[in-house]
Amino acid sequence: EIVMTQSPATLSVSPGERATLSCRASQSASSNLAWYQQKPGQAPRLLIYGASTRATGIPVRFSGSGSGTEFSLTISRLQSEDFAVYYCQQYNNWPPWTFGQGTKVEIK
Amino acid sequence: QVQLVESGGGVVQPGMSLTLSCGGFGFTFSTYGMFWVRQTPGQGLEWVTIISNDGSNKYYADSVKGRFTISRDNSKNILHLQMNNLRAEDTAVYYCARARDGGHMDVWGKGTTVTVSS
Repeated sequence: EIVMTQSPATLSVSPGERATLSCRASQSASSNLAWYQQKPGQAPRLLIYGASTRATGIPVRFSGSGSGTEFSLTISRLQSEDFAVYYCQQYNNWPPWTFGQGTKVEIK
Repeated sequence: QVQLVESGGGVVQPGMSLTLSCGGFGFTFSTYGMFWVRQTPGQGLEWVTIISNDGSNKYYADSVKGRFTISRDNSKNILHLQMNNLRAEDTAVYYCARARDGGHMDVWGKGTTVTVSS
């Protein structure tokens, strides 16, 4: 099983600033890595798949990078609607399909 | 509009059964694999099970294997999750999600809540 570890657990950022979230896999996930955003009381929403491809309708301020065991999600200029919890998920070695524990992006 | 709608959640006692359903709208349901993913209160996301587009392949998380059964009816565009011998630790919001390209989830339902409590 590939264990996904996200850091930091909480990231405090001011609106307009850049945020970088990290996700590490316990073994290679190749580029089979997705990022999701979840706001309170809502379902997760796909942001990025294939480690770096934005999903339909996702703003260009969201970008993903990495391969193998190290991945990152960058939000270039945080807007108020971006404060949420972000999860990474690997789909390279399955079953199981595994998620990280999440990073909460909060207003500084 | 592409949409998934879950139903069937509720409060049940330990050891009892419950069946969740998920209807797919706005897309060709029969061409996609489908996931169930759950989220315990205040916690992260956990993959539960997946079924292939034609129902021929199914995988389960170890935590539910032997107790949960996933199925689908492509003639009705509906996905099911039969949950037997429920435990307190199964308490969660259950989401159905559409599978893409080997296993990311591009469309999610709003979720249905299952509470297992005596």
